[in-house]
Amino acid sequence: DAGVIQSPRHEVTEMGQEVTLRCKPISGHNSLFWYRQTMMRGLELLIYFNNNVPIDDSGMPEDRFSAKMPNASFSTLKIQPSEPRDSAVYFCASSRQQNTGELFFGEGSRLTVL
Amino acid sequence: KQEVTQIPAALSVPEGENLVLNCSFTDSAIYNLQWFRQDPGKGLTSLLLIQSSQREQTSGRLNASLDKSSGRSTLYIAASQPGDSATYLCAVGLTGGGNKLTFGTGTQLKVEL
Repeated sequence: DAGVIQSPRHEVTEMGQEVTLRCKPISGHNSLFWYRQTMMRGLELLIYFNNNVPIDDSGMPEDRFSAKMPNASFSTLKIQPSEPRDSAVYFCASSRQQNTGELFFGEGSRLTVL
Repeated sequence: KQEVTQIPAALSVPEGENLVLNCSFTDSAIYNLQWFRQDPGKGLTSLLLIQSSQREQTSGRLNASLDKSSGRSTLYIAASQPGDSATYLCAVGLTGGGNKLTFGTGTQLKVEL
């Protein structure tokens, strides 16, 4: 199994630019999660989907952040416009079941906003 | 609000030592608890998943225990090796929240030769 695949692995952009992060979950997994990791706040859940439907987006910081899951094999997290405080590592994770499944993480996308 | 604390924040031990990492959580109404390992610049790797009805799980040299009533979990690593050096995170899922996990801040482990 290829695991959870994220792209890009690294992104450096300037404040105000749009950033799109991409995720391909493990085939057969029906839950997908976006997390953000910073030194100050640790790992925070931003949003999660079950069967491509957003279930809880209460962790999304503000309207500049949006996430979509158009099909079972692809999700995007978009930041527009980006700000320096958005600099973090963004992780995508998937699980076979929403409530009981083991969580599998991708390698993360390291975002730096200058 | 669930709060997850891990002690110690960092630990350095000689190779071969048995060690225990601690995790405590404030809300005992958990659905499951997972221990993860994170290597520098990498994602998280799931080590052990304990459902709320279980007391412990074992995988190789790793053993995780769960005491819901006291809000505690421990990860026991037997015969530690330099390859075990990493950050270990515990995460809890609340009843009704499933895999909406709350993570601890982690214990950074270094196993020295």
